[in-house]
Amino acid sequence: EVQLVESGGGLVEPGGSLRLSCAAAGFTFSGFWMHWVRQDPRKGLVWVSRINSDGSVTSYADSVKGRFTVSRDNVKNTLYLQLSSLRVEDSALYYCARAHRSSWTTFDNWGQGTLVSVSS
Amino acid sequence: QSALTQPRSVSGSPGQSVPISCTGTSSDVGDYNFVSWYQQHPGKAPKLIIYDVNYRPSGVPDRFSGSKSGNTASLTISGLQAEDEADYYCCSYAGRYTWVFGGGTKLTVL
Repeated sequence: EVQLVESGGGLVEPGGSLRLSCAAAGFTFSGFWMHWVRQDPRKGLVWVSRINSDGSVTSYADSVKGRFTVSRDNVKNTLYLQLSSLRVEDSALYYCARAHRSSWTTFDNWGQGTLVSVSS
Repeated sequence: QSALTQPRSVSGSPGQSVPISCTGTSSDVGDYNFVSWYQQHPGKAPKLIIYDVNYRPSGVPDRFSGSKSGNTASLTISGLQAEDEADYYCCSYAGRYTWVFGGGTKLTVL
């Protein structure tokens, strides 16, 4: 069974930093692209970032480009998202999601999310 | 990267069919057959129910179907059941390895 477990969320002041983690189990982590997607009550689901299977290629939503960095450790089976220069509007529930094996544009498994709150 | 447009809410009675639309642009929905749909119950993570416009993952009932015409994709739920009451989100590949979601539609089963 595929398991994705996010952690690292919390309360941080504007301008601060946070590192989110997503521990993967139940599948060959190194064989899949991974994504971060966030959700807040105002905007619903918003795609944030994607990383390819070996970690060599990444992409970001314009709203986080230059502030967030996605990475992965295929030995530890863990996906990361470094959040920097945080803004109030970055407050959301952050999900990690796995790309579908045969349909690379699809998110086929999701974690339960970790909550990030940015406030002074 | 503007969000895709979905109706905020739809409703139907048990047994009825309900369509949910998802309108994008010629740069996302209109340019790729890479539209997916996700069902989300309160307090739960999203669940994939349709991918590549009209394919269902194993385990998803055939009451759920997808289609696309031009810049608009649609999810149709036939034979509506009480457990279908949830939020539904569409998502499209938008090129250059970016993705865009719709704002979500709340389905109420009357």
